Amino acid sequence: DVKVTQSSRYLVKRTGEKVFLECVQDMDHENMFWYRQDPGLGLRLIYFSYDVKMKEKGDIPEGYSVSREKKERFSLILESASTNQTSMYLCASSLGQGPFFANTGELFFGEGSRLTVL
Amino acid sequence: AQSVTQLGSHVSVSEGALVLLRCNYSSSVPPYLFWYVQYPNQGLQLLLKYTSAATLVKGINGFEAEFKKSETSFHLTKPSAHMSDAAEYFCAVSGNRDDKIIFGKGTRLHILP
Repeated sequence: DVKVTQSSRYLVKRTGEKVFLECVQDMDHENMFWYRQDPGLGLRLIYFSYDVKMKEKGDIPEGYSVSREKKERFSLILESASTNQTSMYLCASSLGQGPFFANTGELFFGEGSRLTVL
Repeated sequence: AQSVTQLGSHVSVSEGALVLLRCNYSSSVPPYLFWYVQYPNQGLQLLLKYTSAATLVKGINGFEAEFKKSETSFHLTKPSAHMSDAAEYFCAVSGNRDDKIIFGKGTRLHILP
């Protein structure tokens, strides 16, 4: 069975802290994504990656960075957390390398990481 | 560029009644269209996907959606609602290799006993 695992379901951090959100997939998928989900706004794409060492900005990359050192792992980093980054963060992966497959294929999601920044 | 609009942030139906969740899209190229479902405290999972092979698409759990180009719609239906269908539903659209998947704002489906 396909699996996307996000390391932390719930996190509470203080303003200014550095935050790491980890995501691991066991499906050998090339594409990985980070979204944030806010009530009334749906899902918004933060960053995505087509391959190891690659990263592309999504629609709302400001205040975030990512790392993909291994194919199965995609990390989201908040260098200095702020209260407006309180949100649900969803990691996803999809099969098939490159933009066509990334943009037309089925996304497999993790269960989400709910981050609260105080 | 693509966009998607889901009509109604909350929809309530009685158990056993028809479920209809509305989605309209905008796309400059033939679209790929998706419906995802999110159960409480879980991530999203794919319900169904339209890729131009057939206008009526059947998905999991008895859901289906019909692609209507003239109406730019991709509404999700289920003939008879079950309590387990209570969840949030997201419509999504993409165009081609240059167009990332765009999600709607979601519709929360409530099932009344």
